[in-house]
Amino acid sequence: TQTVSQSDAHVTVFEGDSVELRCNYSYGGSIYLSWYIQHHGHGLQFLLKYYSGNPVVQGVNGFEAEFSKSDSSFHLRKASVHWSDSAVYFCAVSPNYNQGKLIFGQGTKLSIKP
Amino acid sequence: DTTVKQNPRYKLARVGKPVNLICSQTMNHDTMYWYQKKPNQAPKLLLFYYDKILNREADTFEKFQSSRPNNSFCSLYIGSAGLEYSAMYLCASSRKLGGSQNTLYFGAGTRLSVL
Repeated sequence: TQTVSQSDAHVTVFEGDSVELRCNYSYGGSIYLSWYIQHHGHGLQFLLKYYSGNPVVQGVNGFEAEFSKSDSSFHLRKASVHWSDSAVYFCAVSPNYNQGKLIFGQGTKLSIKP
Repeated sequence: DTTVKQNPRYKLARVGKPVNLICSQTMNHDTMYWYQKKPNQAPKLLLFYYDKILNREADTFEKFQSSRPNNSFCSLYIGSAGLEYSAMYLCASSRKLGGSQNTLYFGAGTRLSVL
């Protein structure tokens, strides 16, 4: 069974705080792991992805994610959040032969307090 | 222009009536996808085109149709809308199916409300 689990439905932090959004997956075979962001009223926007190599990948706007094979995880982090980071974040897994065949997690809503 | 355009942004439909949603991209991408997203649920892949070949997911096979008359344009068709079709429909495209440099671009979505 191929699943993506985002354990936190909602995370609230203060502006300037660090944040980690958790993602665990279950998938057989060679895969891509990715994160997408959805601001209210907008479509999904690509943040970053991992396929192989350095397990820490850098994305846009200061986001990074770390792959862990032993934990089957791909957590997203940011050292200092800005109010504009308020959005819903989706973790996704896809097979390497079709990156668009995404299986998404339920999403984590990140709220930033001033 | 790296945008995927979806029209309309909002659509109202009556139960039992057909619905046609439109997506376009000018990036000359080989692959176009349609996802369905309901509130508090993960986006779910409905179908995708690779070039002219349509691939529909097994559990949505009979519920949705699609056409791709040219490389830039892809539609999603519901023959007879039911209340359960109310959702956000997201279109996406990518240059090819795989590859480390391949990126998926999403449109802003069409919110379909069936009454």
